[in-house]
Amino acid sequence: KAGVTQTPRYLIKTRGQQVTLSCSPISGHRSVSWYQQTPGQGLQFLFEYFSETQRNKGNFPGRFSGRQFSNSRSEMNVSTLELGDSALYLCASSSGYQETQYFGPGTRLLVL
Amino acid sequence: GENVEQHPSTLSVQEGDSAVIKCTYSDSASNYFPWYKQELGKGPQLIIDIRSNVGEKKDQRIAVTLNKTAKHFSLHITETQPEDSAVYFCAASTSGTYKYIFGTGTRLKVLA
Repeated sequence: KAGVTQTPRYLIKTRGQQVTLSCSPISGHRSVSWYQQTPGQGLQFLFEYFSETQRNKGNFPGRFSGRQFSNSRSEMNVSTLELGDSALYLCASSSGYQETQYFGPGTRLLVL
Repeated sequence: GENVEQHPSTLSVQEGDSAVIKCTYSDSASNYFPWYKQELGKGPQLIIDIRSNVGEKKDQRIAVTLNKTAKHFSLHITETQPEDSAVYFCAASTSGTYKYIFGTGTRLKVLA
């Protein structure tokens, strides 16, 4: 089976722009979670989707949003980018809650 | 709020020695505790996990112990090898919350 894929792998944006990141889960997995990873804050939970429904959301401002499609692929969007949004954004998929989460390689976002 | 503390932040051991990483969680309802290994340029990979109805779990050179009363869980790596060098993260989750809280990571260096 193919692993979790994330596109793009690298992205450079300027402050005020918006960005959309994509995640394709492992075939058959219906749960997709997103995390932000920074050197100072570690891995922070953004949101989790299952069958197109957001089941939980982390403590991030409303500029961070996501969605999941009927094929379980997921996107996250960050609007009005700030310098502090520079991070590695990781997506993880699993077959169900508290089942093994498989992470993708991440999208590294740099905001200038 | 929910929190997972992880210590130490860095750990250097000689090849063949043991390494121990400790985590403490705050939510007494947490019932699933995975450990991840992250190598440079890659997403985290699950190495072992434990559920709250079990006190210890082993997989070859890796073991995890859980003390629910103290809200502690630890990762033990025996006979360390240079390829064990990576950043290790602990996490905790609670049924029904659909999210994982991660520790801040431990950078393990195995010296040959």
